[in-house]
Amino acid sequence: AQSVTQLGSHVSVSEGALVLLRCNYSSSVPPYLFWYVQYPNQGLQLLLKYTSAATLVKGINGFEAEFKKSETSFHLTKPSAHMSDAAEYFCAVSGRSGGYQKVTFGTGTKLQVIP
Amino acid sequence: DSGVTQTPKHLITATGQRVTLRCSPRSGDLSVYWYQQSLDQGLQFLIQYYNGEERAKGNILERFSAQQFPDLHSELNLSSLELGDSALYFCASSVVGGWAETQYFGPGTRLLVL
Repeated sequence: AQSVTQLGSHVSVSEGALVLLRCNYSSSVPPYLFWYVQYPNQGLQLLLKYTSAATLVKGINGFEAEFKKSETSFHLTKPSAHMSDAAEYFCAVSGRSGGYQKVTFGTGTKLQVIP
Repeated sequence: DSGVTQTPKHLITATGQRVTLRCSPRSGDLSVYWYQQSLDQGLQFLIQYYNGEERAKGNILERFSAQQFPDLHSELNLSSLELGDSALYFCASSVVGGWAETQYFGPGTRLLVL
């Protein structure tokens, strides 16, 4: 069985400060990992994904995440927060179930950016 | 814009009623997913279709059903609605549903059951 744990349902940072959103996963097979962002009243949009190539993955809007197998983590970071980064962020793990994709989402982390 | 469309945007109905939510995937995508997002349950996977056939089931209630038509659009039918069914329902699509694929989400249908 696979699962995702996002630590902290709400995170507040000052504009210009480092953003760190935590995600730990559990998977019985090498996982594919995703970060999605959801802006208010919108659907989810892919930020970045790890598919067993480089462990440091760069995404859109200056975000990146590092896959650490030993820590079963895939934390999302951004060096300098911008007001437009305020949104909810979801970590997800994808694995095979009967040969097809099965995606499990975390509970989400709401990021507040303080001016 | 993800290319996935969902109608209607908002739906208000009463308990015991039945509603149909519609989703059109991105052009060329064969796989469609349905999710329910609520405050207490988070984002829950309901069901997946690939090229007209059901491929995977998640936490979908027996009162709910879905189908994917030959033109690849999909409908999610919710019947005998309860207050607890009030939620945001998302549709997503991907090319073939491979496990490394990105899912592209529609804007969602917000259902309110009174």
